Amino acid sequence: NAGVTQTPKFQVLKTGQSMTLQCAQDMNHEYMSWYRQDPGMGLRLIHYSVGAGITDQGEVPNGYNVSRSTTEDFPLRLLSAAPSQTSVYFCASSYGSGRYNEQFFGPGTRLTVL
Amino acid sequence: AQSVTQLDSQVPVFEEAPVELRCNYSSSVSVYLFWYVQYPNQGLQLLLKYLSGSTLVESINGFEAEFNKSQTSFHLRKPSVHISDTAEYFCAVSESDNNDMRFGAGTRLTVKP
Repeated sequence: NAGVTQTPKFQVLKTGQSMTLQCAQDMNHEYMSWYRQDPGMGLRLIHYSVGAGITDQGEVPNGYNVSRSTTEDFPLRLLSAAPSQTSVYFCASSYGSGRYNEQFFGPGTRLTVL
Repeated sequence: AQSVTQLDSQVPVFEEAPVELRCNYSSSVSVYLFWYVQYPNQGLQLLLKYLSGSTLVESINGFEAEFNKSQTSFHLRKPSVHISDTAEYFCAVSESDNNDMRFGAGTRLTVKP
């Protein structure tokens, strides 16, 4: 099993550009989520999904879109990148509900917005 | 919504010394509590969790944490640390009635020889 994979590992964008961060898991997990990690702030939940076709907002959803067309994939779209979105982004998945099961994290995508 | 406070941003200790990383949470409903560890340039890995039952939970590498409902705390302890324990540790809490997990800001543990 590859676990949770994320692409790309690094990305530099200019303000106003759009892009999609890819996330895939091969564990047949229902729950998937996106976090951003910023120094001194820990991880903050952006969006999550409890199954294909179902998504919901987390703590910091503004400026990001998600969709879940399959169990395996959960892409994160930046609509119009801003310097405030410079961060490390982690995708995670878990069996069943994310509230009490172990979340498995991908290796992260380091995004810089100039 | 729930919140988590990790009281120390950095904890330097010498090898074989004991360590305690402090975590307090705030919630109005039942909670589930977690400690995750992040080694440099990696994603997070689950260290241990409290769901219900015994308030003392242990990990396979010697860490333990105790759920204290009256103090709303979930401190992480290890009686003797190793150089390899150097990492960032995150406390996290989720509530029984939603799927929104909240993480603390993290504590960077540095073990010195």
